[in-house]
Order: sequence, then C-alpha cells, then structure tokens
Amino acid sequence: DTGVSQDPRHKITKRGQNVTFRCDPISEHNRLYWYRQTLGQGPEFLTYFQNEAQLEKSRLLSDRFSAERPKGSFSTLEIQRTEQGDSAMYLCASSLIGAGGGEKLFFGSGTQLSVL
Amino acid sequence: AQTVTQSQPEMSVQEAETVTLSCTYDTSESDYYLFWYKQPPSRQMILVIRQEAYKQQNATENRFSVNFQKAAKSFSLKISDSQLGDAAMYFCAYRSSFQGNQFYFGTGTSLTVIP
Repeated sequence: DTGVSQDPRHKITKRGQNVTFRCDPISEHNRLYWYRQTLGQGPEFLTYFQNEAQLEKSRLLSDRFSAERPKGSFSTLEIQRTEQGDSAMYLCASSLIGAGGGEKLFFGSGTQLSVL
Repeated sequence: AQTVTQSQPEMSVQEAETVTLSCTYDTSESDYYLFWYKQPPSRQMILVIRQEAYKQQNATENRFSVNFQKAAKSFSLKISDSQLGDAAMYFCAYRSSFQGNQFYFGTGTSLTVIP
C-alpha cells in the first residue's frame, strides 16, 4: 500500500490556461473522489467515481471542469480556461466499497493550484 | 444537503493535557457515519476516528475518543495526553450510510499544542 499519490504538488498557471492534475489511488480501491479546499475551509466535494463510472458531480463543478478515470485506475481532473477563483488545493481520495464496515477515505497530499 | 458545523476555529492545549473539539451536524437520516480527520502542515488528511450512528458505544482509538450524542446531533473529539504531533487542523465529517452519498466536511478547528 503506497497510499494515494497526486501530481503535481504545486501548479502555477496564468488565467485562461488549461491545467490537468493526476491522482493515483490505492491500488485495490474502487472508489475515487475529487475535493477542492480553499484556505480556512473544509474540503468541498467535486465528483466521484466508482471504478470507471462517474456517479456524481457537484453543482459546484462548472462545465470548465472535467474528470476521467479510464479503466478504473488513475484519474485526471482538467480545468479549462482557468480563472483566479479556481485557485485552491485539489484533493484526491480513494476508498474501498463493499469490504464491510463502512467507507473510509484515504487522501493524497493534494495539488495546490495558483492562477495568476 | 447535510451540514457540519465546527464552531471553534482555533483551540490550544498544553502538552500532556486534554482537549475537546466540538462538532454538530444537521441531518434527517437515522443511519450515517461520522469521522474526524486530521490535516497536519504536510496537508495530507489522515483519518483519526470513525463512529457509526447505529452504535451507541463511543469510538476510541488510543488517545482519541469521541462523545457521540445522536439526539443532540453532536460529535466531539477528545484528545488525551496531547502531544506536539497532534498540532494540526481537525475536520469533522459526515457520510450517509446509503452508498453513493458524498462526505460532508466542517470548516475545521486549528489545534495548537503548547510545549
């Protein structure tokens, strides 16, 4: 178990550019979540996958945001035409559903996005 | 949507002493899970403790324990024998027991441990 890894750790971009983040979950985990966290706030749900299927998207997720999880393994989160309000830490978490005893989220260290 | 409220933005505790962090939540459901997560400066959120709403017994994990009051919708975290490594942001979280529901997080409590 190598944990949840996210890449990159930091991303600085200019407004209007596209950015893509990657998340590698714990290998046997079938569920993967994306959260956004701004300073002084708790994580806000963006979307989640069960295997390769995207089951839920937050209303916070504008059409500039898209996430994929091909083959039910790693996931990418892309933000198109970035805006300064997109500056935040983007957290990925994974879990194993169906193992009994309820769901526990395991988080990565996040990608800190700064839009200039 | 469910809401989770942490009314203490900051708390401090003397090393080796005990501190209690508060959390309340709003739900109409009877079956759910509650969590406390710790986020140190390294940013990685770490699960501290979990409580299942249908269990009356309060969860404990070593120096960490909870006081779960279902009727009051209250879920506080007690840290005993506080250590310098306990300094972090602590987030309370709620999840419905129905699969497919997201986790809802509070705004966090920043805990300082004074040597």
